[in-house]
Amino acid sequence: EVQLVESGGHLVQPGGSLRLSCAASGFTFTNYGMNWVRQAPGKGLEWVSSISGSGGSTYYADSVKGRFTISRDNSKNTLYLEMNSLRAEDTAVYYCAKGSTAMTPNWFDPWGQGTLVTVSS
Amino acid sequence: DIQMTQAPSSLSASVGDRVTITCRASQSISSYVNWYQQKLGKAPKLLIYAASSLQSGVPSRFSGSGSGTDFTLTISSLQPEDFATYYCQQSYSTLITFGQGTRLDIK
Repeated sequence: EVQLVESGGHLVQPGGSLRLSCAASGFTFTNYGMNWVRQAPGKGLEWVSSISGSGGSTYYADSVKGRFTISRDNSKNTLYLEMNSLRAEDTAVYYCAKGSTAMTPNWFDPWGQGTLVTVSS
Repeated sequence: DIQMTQAPSSLSASVGDRVTITCRASQSISSYVNWYQQKLGKAPKLLIYAASSLQSGVPSRFSGSGSGTDFTLTISSLQPEDFATYYCQQSYSTLITFGQGTRLDIK
C-alpha cells in the first residue's frame, strides 16, 4: 500500500524558515515525480512545487519561487520542502502527493494527510 | 499561467440526482485534465485522470469528458457519500493549476 506521511509543520514567525518532510513507502520512490500542494484555511487547492523522479527537474509556483526549495533523497524515500522568508499568506495545510510517472506534470495520487504550517507573530 | 475556471462554485442537489460540474481552461490543453474529490478535513482523492479515465476503485457513477478547453465531471446518481468539494486540475503545463472548486451539498 502506498503511504505518504508529512511532518515538520508548526507555528513560525514571519520571515522565518521551516523544512517539511514527506516519508514515502509502498512504491519505488525514484520512479515517480513528487509534488507539494497547499490549502489555506477555508480556501481551495494551490499547487506549490514538483520534482522529477531523479530530482533533476524542479518546478515552482510564482508565489513561492525564490523562497521555497523542493528536493528529495531517493536513498531515504523522502521528499522535502525548504521554506524561507515565510509570509502570513503561506499559512496552509501542505500536502505531498505522488505523481503518476517519473516526469512531471501529471496527476496526483495518492496524497498524504497534510501538515499545518502557521505563519504568525 | 493556464487558468482553470469551474462552474458552478456551489451546488445543492438531492440523493439520486444527476450532477454535472464544468471546468474551462484559458487555453487548449488537449485532455490534460484531472478531477479530485475532497471531503471536509481530508486529503483530496483522485477520481478521473486524462479527462475521462476512471481511477481504480472509484465508482462508475463518476465520469469525465471533454478536450481542448471545456471539460465536465458527471455524477450519474448522487449518493450520500458524494457530498464534497470537487476540483479540476490541468497537467498540460509544468506550472500546474487547479480550479477554484465546486462545493456540492445536500438540498
